[in-house]
Amino acid sequence: GDSVTQMEGPVTLSEEAFLTINCTYTATGYPSLFWYVQYPGEGLQLLLKATKADDKGSNKGFEATYRKETTSFHLEKGSVQVSDSAVYFCALAYGEGFQKLVFGTGTRLLVSP
Amino acid sequence: DAGVTQSPTHLIKTRGQQVTLRCSPKSGHDTVSWYQQALGQGPQFIFQYYEEEERQRGNFPDRFSGHQFPNYSSELNVNALLLGDSALYLCASSSEVSTDTQYFGPGTRLTVL
Repeated sequence: GDSVTQMEGPVTLSEEAFLTINCTYTATGYPSLFWYVQYPGEGLQLLLKATKADDKGSNKGFEATYRKETTSFHLEKGSVQVSDSAVYFCALAYGEGFQKLVFGTGTRLLVSP
Repeated sequence: DAGVTQSPTHLIKTRGQQVTLRCSPKSGHDTVSWYQQALGQGPQFIFQYYEEEERQRGNFPDRFSGHQFPNYSSELNVNALLLGDSALYLCASSSEVSTDTQYFGPGTRLTVL
C-alpha cells in the first residue's frame, strides 16, 4: 500500500545551519505531498504542500520539491533557527479523492544557539 | 477565525470503559477526519466523515465509531478500551473542494490504565 519513509532523528544542528530532512514515498497514482510540523504538546500544523510532479512547496523559509522520478519530497531550509526545533512529518494524501493522509514516523529537529 | 478545536484536552480511563472525544471543524469546513498518534509515531487514519456519514475508514476495529452532526462537528467513540488505545487523538478538518488539505486540532491525550 501507499507509504512514506523519512529519515530517523534526531537531527541536531546549530543555528543558521542548512537543513535537509529526507522523505521518500511509495504510491499508486499521483498523490499530493505534505510536510507537517508538530511543536511540543501541540497538534500538527501544515507547513507546505505540493500537488503534482516538479511542484515546489514553500513556507517560512522551508521548501520541498515533488520529485516523481525519485519518489522524493525532501524538506530543506537554508538557515535554521532555535524556534524551528520540532518534529517534522512527511505525508501523502491517498485514497478515493485523496481523502486520507498517511504519515511518516516523524523526524525530530533540535537546533542549538 | 477559530481553527479546529477538540475536547477534552486530556482524559484518563480504565480498561473496558468507553470514551467519547469531540471536535469542531475550522469555519467553512464540512469534512472531519480522525487520526490516532501513538507516542513517537506518525498519526494513523481512523475514519472520515462528510455529510454526516462515514466516507472512508482506515484499519481500525469496529470498537472505533464516530458521528458527524448537522453543524459539521464530530465525535469519536471508542468502546471496550484497551491499554493499546492510549494515544493522542487528532481531529482534522477540510473542505470538500480541497479534501487533501487538512487542518489539525491540538488533540486529546487519552490514557488507558
